[in-house]
Amino acid sequence: GIQVEQSPPDLILQEGANSTLRCNFSDSVNNLQWFHQNPWGQLINLFYIPSGTKQNGRLSATTVATERYSLLYISSSQTTDSGVYFCAVSTDKLIFGTGTRLQVFP
Amino acid sequence: DTEVTQTPKHLVMGMTNKKSLKCEQHMGHRAMYWYKQKAKKPPELMFVYSYEKLSINESVPSRFSPECPNSSLLNLHLHALQPEDSALYLCASSPGTPGAPLHFGNGTRLTVT
Repeated sequence: GIQVEQSPPDLILQEGANSTLRCNFSDSVNNLQWFHQNPWGQLINLFYIPSGTKQNGRLSATTVATERYSLLYISSSQTTDSGVYFCAVSTDKLIFGTGTRLQVFP
Repeated sequence: DTEVTQTPKHLVMGMTNKKSLKCEQHMGHRAMYWYKQKAKKPPELMFVYSYEKLSINESVPSRFSPECPNSSLLNLHLHALQPEDSALYLCASSPGTPGAPLHFGNGTRLTVT
């Protein structure tokens, strides 16, 4: 089956720093989503981005489907950005990546 | 606030109990999903219902029994669970077209004693 790898696995930042999270996938996909899972377990949709670039406030995402990767940019990070970031790709079903655990300290 | 509602938020059950997890959506979505998430792991797909019919069962043990009474409701019936089944159970829905985005509920945190 399709493999979805994320890097880095863990990231520690000071408030105000910028970061880039990467998602690599092993086969062609119909779609790619980025999620943020907060410490209470809620999975929040960030982006639905099968290709191209999207921005939402301090967050932006770029997917290059032909090269099988996606990037999530977080600028001016805040403590509320802490949690786990998942990318997930869909073929006939949605498969989650390995996740990046982000901790932002004041 | 999430548009997919899961109840209960927390559940503690013994290995001989029978319980059910419930999920409801009112977005007119035609596909609904159950995922299981263990601590520090990504969510793993269990079941997919498409237009109220079971379309994917990821070789889930029979002690987990899904049910889709109508297009807005999804249940997961639990019986004779094991302690290793303790996890966060997430429900999701989508319009049902290939590649359409999934919307997740807040999950039920299940503990089996």
